[in-house]
Amino acid sequence: GAVVSQHPSRVICKSGTSVKIECRSLDFQATTMFWYRQFPKQSLMLMATSNEGSKATYEQGVEKDKFLINHASLTLSTLTVTSAHPEDSSFYICSAAGGHLEYSNQPQHFGDGTRLSIL
Amino acid sequence: AQKITQTQPGMFVQEKEAVTLDCTYDTSDQSYGLFWYKQPSSGEMIFLIYQGSYDEQNATEGRYSLNFQKARKSANLVISASQLGDSAMYFCAMREDLDNYGQNFVFGPGTRLSVLP
Repeated sequence: GAVVSQHPSRVICKSGTSVKIECRSLDFQATTMFWYRQFPKQSLMLMATSNEGSKATYEQGVEKDKFLINHASLTLSTLTVTSAHPEDSSFYICSAAGGHLEYSNQPQHFGDGTRLSIL
Repeated sequence: AQKITQTQPGMFVQEKEAVTLDCTYDTSDQSYGLFWYKQPSSGEMIFLIYQGSYDEQNATEGRYSLNFQKARKSANLVISASQLGDSAMYFCAMREDLDNYGQNFVFGPGTRLSVLP
């Protein structure tokens, strides 16, 4: 089955540090990648959607300059949390989806998530 | 407006019994897909089952089946013969295909299922 690799799985760092999270689709071309944030016992909150080669579309309330997303290829997207602060501590999870209208049965394939803790 | 509704924040089921997790959705599109994901305490999202809006048969995958009622816009997940390892959060999701060939996935708030021994 399709595999999405997300790295790192856990980050603990000091306030003010920038943290980069990578999301790779290993065996398929991800035309669209999604970045989610999840607080404890809550659902996934979509942060942004990125299509390969174009700028990410951010959801309302998500700071573009704070959460930098790059989707440079069909297999790699990165999320950089710039100058992270304790309130940015959360579980970040990426997903990738391939195909267009005719492949509507393609599920999102998720990475295993990154637990970010800012001290 | 919330597009995916899961009215059961928490459910309990006895081991080996069947359980139904509710999901209703809202869309004006004719073409869409419905998915169920399982999220155990470790955090990873596990794809369980898919139902296309044009599929006439209810989807089944092993112990999972999807009770799709298009007119009522519901896509309930049925887990048969529950196992202790089924204890997790379950999310219903919908994929809408956008005119610009993009995709929009919407997740419901989730249902926490606890299987009792």
